[in-house]
Amino acid sequence: AQSVTQPDIHITVSEGASLELRCNYSYGATPYLFWYVQSPGQGLQLLLKYFSGDTLVQGIKGFEAEFKRSQSSFNLRKPSVHWSDAAEYFCAVGQGYTGGGADGLTFGKGTHLIIQP
Amino acid sequence: DGGITQSPKYLFRKEGQNVTLSCEQNLNHDAMYWYRQDPGQGLRLIYYSQIVNDFQKGDIAEGYSVSREKKESFPLTVTSAQKNPTAFYLCASSTQGNLLGNTIYFGEGSWLTVV
Repeated sequence: AQSVTQPDIHITVSEGASLELRCNYSYGATPYLFWYVQSPGQGLQLLLKYFSGDTLVQGIKGFEAEFKRSQSSFNLRKPSVHWSDAAEYFCAVGQGYTGGGADGLTFGKGTHLIIQP
Repeated sequence: DGGITQSPKYLFRKEGQNVTLSCEQNLNHDAMYWYRQDPGQGLRLIYYSQIVNDFQKGDIAEGYSVSREKKESFPLTVTSAQKNPTAFYLCASSTQGNLLGNTIYFGEGSWLTVV
């Protein structure tokens, strides 16, 4: 079964500093990887996704992520964070369309990002 | 604007009652999903539906039921058999087809509290 690990429950970063959120996955075949962001009491917004091709993926809001197959990782990065980036971030892995159809995503437990002024 | 609408945003349930959470999408997506979110637990899949009149159990389907009579609607009923229903519920949808790794889009969520 596929699984996702986000090792950091909370991360505190100063405004303007760089950010890296870690994500490790376990999946037997080629993974489809996603990062979502959630503001308190809201739904999830897609930041970026990796399906194939270039392992460095650009997303919205200045975020990027790099897929490293050898490390089973898909870490999210941003060169300079803003106070508005404070939120919960979720990494997810999906197996896409199998013979039985799409069956949703498997999510990590999330990383809570705190921005210090 | 296209999107996924969940209602109500906040719902209170008495012990022993069934409640139904509504989810409507106008994105013309074939697949729809229900997730449950608890603090520190991430999201867990309750049910999903690939097409009208078909749905499958997810990881935590016990105590829940769904229907998919229309493409745009996927209501979730939280039954009295669900012993710990207080949570944040998220509905989602995605396109279907031969493309692998379909992106899933989420609604704004519904808070359910047992009183």
